[in-house]
This record gives sequence, C-alpha cells and structure tokens, in this order.
Amino acid sequence: AQKITQTQPGMFVQEKEAVTLDCTYDTSDQSYGLFWYKQPSSGEMIFLIYQGSYDEQNATEGRYSLNFQKARKSANLVISASQLGDSAMYFCAMREANSGGSNYKLTFGKGTLLTVNP
Amino acid sequence: DSGVTQTPKHLITATGQRVTLRCSPRSGDLSVYWYQQSLDQGLQFLIQYYNGEERAKGNILERFSAQQFPDLHSELNLSSLELGDSALYFCASSPVVATYEQYFGPGTRLTVT
Repeated sequence: AQKITQTQPGMFVQEKEAVTLDCTYDTSDQSYGLFWYKQPSSGEMIFLIYQGSYDEQNATEGRYSLNFQKARKSANLVISASQLGDSAMYFCAMREANSGGSNYKLTFGKGTLLTVNP
Repeated sequence: DSGVTQTPKHLITATGQRVTLRCSPRSGDLSVYWYQQSLDQGLQFLIQYYNGEERAKGNILERFSAQQFPDLHSELNLSSLELGDSALYFCASSPVVATYEQYFGPGTRLTVT
C-alpha cells in the first residue's frame, strides 16, 4: 500500500505568488515524522522542513511552512513568495517509529514538479 | 553542501559488470542510508547501517550488498548489473540520535549500457 501520496505530478505558479503542494500519508504509528525535500535539476536532495507527529504547531522554515492536519493525515507544503529558483521536484517523505530505535528510513512520495513562471 | 560525500559522481558500465559506490557520512554521523532513485520506481530505501551494523533492509536486490567500515564510510556493491539498475544512488547520514533530517549526498548516477 502506498504510504505517501502526492497527487500533483506537476504544478505551475507565478513568481511572487504562494503555492501549496499536497501530501497525504498513511500510517498506524502514533509517532512519526514528515519531511519535505527539494530536488533541483542538478539532482541533489535538499532538506526543507520537518514536522513531528506530536508537534502541536505547524513547522515553518523561512518561506516554507507545513500545513499539518493530523486527522486528515495530510502534510501540505506551502511556499510563499515563489522565486524562479524554487523550480524543482518536491518530495514528501515519512519516517515511522521503529522498535529498534535507530531505524529511521524514509518512505518517499513520487514527487511534484514545480515550475515557477516569471 | 550537506557534508556527505559520494564517489564517483557518474559511472557508466556494461551489463554483467560489478561496481562499488562509496559514501562518507557527515562527521560524527553513525547512520548511513542508501536510496535508489529511478524513473519507474521513484525514490526507494535500500539499506541502513548504524555504527557498522546492518539495521534495516528495504527493496534491495540480492545482487546488491553494502557494508559500513570502522571509519564509518560505507560502500554499496552492485553486481551482475542489468539495464534496469541504471539510476541515481543516494547515500544519506544522520546523527547518533536521529531526531529528524537525513543529510543526503550529491548522489552517484549509474548508467548501465
């Protein structure tokens, strides 16, 4: 079963506007973490933002914020004031708890390709 | 720069061959993860090592193996290569007590011809 679902294969946004990238997840764990990574055309994976399942406040990192709705199992990424350099593939990922205590593998969604238009 | 290094950046080889991908984690990080990114499978977790010991296995083929050495660098060995093994292979590392992010290396792009 797919654990991370990103339903938008591609998104377009005008420069300086805000954009929301959708992510829904599936887990039966109470303790888990949600991540967003950015992958520009150069290929590297850049960590953007993290939300823990017990965090009461939505995570924010500069122009990035995570709209965490636990009951709906969604963790949407909001990018404010889009810039041309934001054009990239964006991946949502989840880390689930592991009884061993040191296994933090990430499960990734298929990604959303964001294009920022001037 | 995440502090994770991977070599080589690009690798082109023929079917049936064997290659070794190398990863050096960030200073102090004990956990190393290997991921494969291909067009059809997306980003998939392969295997994790923690302080030299295998901790978790994902969708890693039997033709693939990995190890983590005492100096904490890790190698991913891919043998009997097939065309479908062409992918971007990432190594990531995380601290002793991983609170959240994993730091990804720049990746090794493997092309099997």
